[in-house]
Amino acid sequence: GQQVMQIPQYQHVQEGEDFTTYCNSSTTLSNIQWYKQRPGGHPVFLIQLVKSGEVKKQKRLTFQFGEAKKNSSLHITATQTTDVGTYFCAGLYGGSQGNLIFGKGTKLSVKP
Amino acid sequence: DTEVTQTPKHLVMGMTNKKSLKCEQHMGHRAMYWYKQKAKKPPELMFVYSYEKLSINESVPSRFSPECPNSSLLNLHLHALQPEDSALYLCASSQGRRQGTGELFFGEGSRLTVL
Repeated sequence: GQQVMQIPQYQHVQEGEDFTTYCNSSTTLSNIQWYKQRPGGHPVFLIQLVKSGEVKKQKRLTFQFGEAKKNSSLHITATQTTDVGTYFCAGLYGGSQGNLIFGKGTKLSVKP
Repeated sequence: DTEVTQTPKHLVMGMTNKKSLKCEQHMGHRAMYWYKQKAKKPPELMFVYSYEKLSINESVPSRFSPECPNSSLLNLHLHALQPEDSALYLCASSQGRRQGTGELFFGEGSRLTVL
């Protein structure tokens, strides 16, 4: 079935260190979205990637979509305590209804 | 502040109770969604309404009954729930009529506990 694999499940970093989470699909995605969920909060949209090889930046966050549109990554440079939360990717598979599948998420903790 | 409003924020109910979760958005979005999220898990799609019509029902048990009275409102009626139904229920909306074609705006969720 369609599923989006996301790794790692957990990441503990020292403040100032970099962080990366990866998502992978066995089949081509129409697009991929990234969400952040703070502890006790709700998912908040970060970005959507649509084009093959697309790279987008938001301040310290860099998002990439693979050339084959099967994988994506989120990289945070110089983490801060405000980056704490769970980061989910969500891949869209084609079809008339569309099928948005969430990865299991990567929980980031940052030690000051 | 979220632009999708959910009530109540917390709900405790017994297995024989009937309750409803409510969701409202005033962004003019034509697609609205119910997701269920268990602890340490990703959101799991339950229902999609597109232009006030139910377009996706992800094989959800009949004890969950969605309703879309108009384009701004979405309800989830709960009846005879089980303890394993305890979870965070998230409402979301999107401008596009198809899920995943644009940003999902999530509400803060209704945390449900079934005793």
